[in-house]
Amino acid sequence: QQQVKQSPQSLIVQKGGISIINCAYENTAFDYFPWYQQFPGKGPALLIAIRPDVSEKKEGRFTISFNKSAKQFSLHIMDSQPGDSATYFCAASWDFNKFYFGSGTKLNVKP
Amino acid sequence: SQTIHQWPATLVQPVGSPLSLECTVEGTSNPNLYWYRQAAGRGLQLLFYSVGIGQISSEVPQNLSASRPQDRQFILSSKKLLLSDSGFYLCAWAAGGPETQYFGPGTRLLVL
Repeated sequence: QQQVKQSPQSLIVQKGGISIINCAYENTAFDYFPWYQQFPGKGPALLIAIRPDVSEKKEGRFTISFNKSAKQFSLHIMDSQPGDSATYFCAASWDFNKFYFGSGTKLNVKP
Repeated sequence: SQTIHQWPATLVQPVGSPLSLECTVEGTSNPNLYWYRQAAGRGLQLLFYSVGIGQISSEVPQNLSASRPQDRQFILSSKKLLLSDSGFYLCAWAAGGPETQYFGPGTRLLVL
């Protein structure tokens, strides 16, 4: 059973556009929701994270929107750039010993 | 600052051969340690995690095993590799509190 469902699997966005990646979860015990960015051949790197006590967190061009009642959270990349082309993973954790990852979204930002 | 190392970076092994991948963390003590496998174009599959020396939790039944002989060392092993063991193996650490995981550079394993 997949604990975190991520969509879309792939995404093509024009430079300057907004990239939106969505994740949904079932376990209401989850209390930490990070997003990771992975470039080919590299390990994932933490991008931004949120806890369920806030509905939005913004860091530069990256924003997490969190809907606790719907058990959904999303990543918005504003003014998308070709350098943002990577695979993005959402994740969720509730005991900080185990993290459950989404299946990933491959983002391609066209110049 | 904390640093996580993995080696080797790339490995090509024949089917049936043994495997040993090593992960070490610097700059922290008593970290939680994790092994993940990522198949080509796929997500991250948690294989093992450890909250202390000698404490290993297995998430997926398989022919792989993990050991933690020292506080900041995590080893992934196999006695006999299968073709399906090919993939990108990632080690990660976390402080165990309200912190996220930090990933190593990964080892790309190709079993032929």
